[in-house]
Amino acid sequence: RKEVEQDPGPFNVPEGATVAFNCTYSNSASQSFFWYRQDCRKEPKLLMSVYSSGNEDGRFTAQLNRASQYISLLIRDSKLSDSATYLCVVKSASKIIFGSGTRLSIRP
Amino acid sequence: DAGITQSPRHKVTETGTPVTLRCHQTENHRYMYWYRQDPGHGLRLIHYSYGVKDTDKGEVSDGYSVSRSKTEDFLLTLESATSSQTSVYFCAISESDRTYSGNTIYFGEGSWLTVV
Repeated sequence: RKEVEQDPGPFNVPEGATVAFNCTYSNSASQSFFWYRQDCRKEPKLLMSVYSSGNEDGRFTAQLNRASQYISLLIRDSKLSDSATYLCVVKSASKIIFGSGTRLSIRP
Repeated sequence: DAGITQSPRHKVTETGTPVTLRCHQTENHRYMYWYRQDPGHGLRLIHYSYGVKDTDKGEVSDGYSVSRSKTEDFLLTLESATSSQTSVYFCAISESDRTYSGNTIYFGEGSWLTVV
């Protein structure tokens, strides 16, 4: 079992839709969590950190469920420019693990 | 954007030749990392550095070596390139290894390496 697992997608949704991704992790000692966005042939860039109480940044909402060991990313009112691969990142005291990413494609 | 520069950005080389990729940062961050990214595998850590001359192996270090003689530079060397090392290589930096949410990792633009 991978330490961090994501549905690879692709998720193909119409513009304006709401879409949600989950990411599960196996190490219960994981301490901090992030979502990164990666465009085709570009480097990953930080989208947002994930806080224990959940957090929102504009159209994006991130949540953490420690009991079930997953984090989620919700995108509301999706835009064409949201098309990208979304990577979840889980950090413990000893390592940083990247998920393989979920591909999102927004259609007009 | 974080001040990270990778060179070369694209390289084609022959099997058995040595290759060195350079990562240069202007952020004075202590930690530097080399990752490779391949379809189906995501980002995998090759080596990392926690200070000048202080380096350690990641999960896929075989066939790679690194050096860090200055805070700002982290070199990745493929001593004898093989076709399995064809990949995109990302350098990354972070201020520390502490796991608080504010401590994020910033990536360079990547180096595309093809070994023929």
